[in-house]
Amino acid sequence: DGGITQSPKYLFRKEGQNVTLSCEQNLNHDAMYWYRQDPGQGLRLIYYSQIVNDFQKGDIAEGYSVSREKKESFPLTVTSAQKNPTAFYLCASSSRQTTPDTQYFGPGTRLTVL
Amino acid sequence: DQQVKQNSPSLSVQEGRISILNCDYTNSMFDYFLWYKKYPAEGPTFLISISSIKDKNEDGRFTVFLNKSAKHLSLHIVPSQPGDSAVYFCAARRDFYGGATNKLIFGTGTLLAVQP
Repeated sequence: DGGITQSPKYLFRKEGQNVTLSCEQNLNHDAMYWYRQDPGQGLRLIYYSQIVNDFQKGDIAEGYSVSREKKESFPLTVTSAQKNPTAFYLCASSSRQTTPDTQYFGPGTRLTVL
Repeated sequence: DQQVKQNSPSLSVQEGRISILNCDYTNSMFDYFLWYKKYPAEGPTFLISISSIKDKNEDGRFTVFLNKSAKHLSLHIVPSQPGDSAVYFCAARRDFYGGATNKLIFGTGTLLAVQP
């Protein structure tokens, strides 16, 4: 039963703390992505990775960091430098073997900064 | 600079009737367009896509139309069902260098409410 998992579903952190959001996929997809969604806005790309050990900044990368040490995993760290971290975070993956390489999403993590 | 726009934040339709969701874009380099459906507190679910070389793609109750000259696409749902009530996002892809990069640009979404 292939899919994308994100944990935890809800996450609370105190201002000034770093926090890491997990994203795992067993779809054998090459590419993985992180988006955030804010009320009344579309999904905005934070970081993406086309291949293991390589990743690129998206449109709103400031205050975030990622790693891609394994094909299946693409964790996102929200650092204390991120000014407005409270949001709904979505992870996605896609395969370059299909056309189009449609992105499939995980269930999301709601991060709230107290 | 909003390259993909969904100008209707919400739409209400009676069950059994047609739902038409619209999306406009500005970048003529987009080569694929996708529609996603999203329920609250869940990840978006892929619905249907269309290549820029086509003008129509159909999948069951869902049909997407593309008008390249007007830079406009629409999603038709016929007949609409209460379970279709969700936020619908359109997204556009710009294919760099034969697929080396797949970045999607999303619209802001349209909340569809299908009334029983």
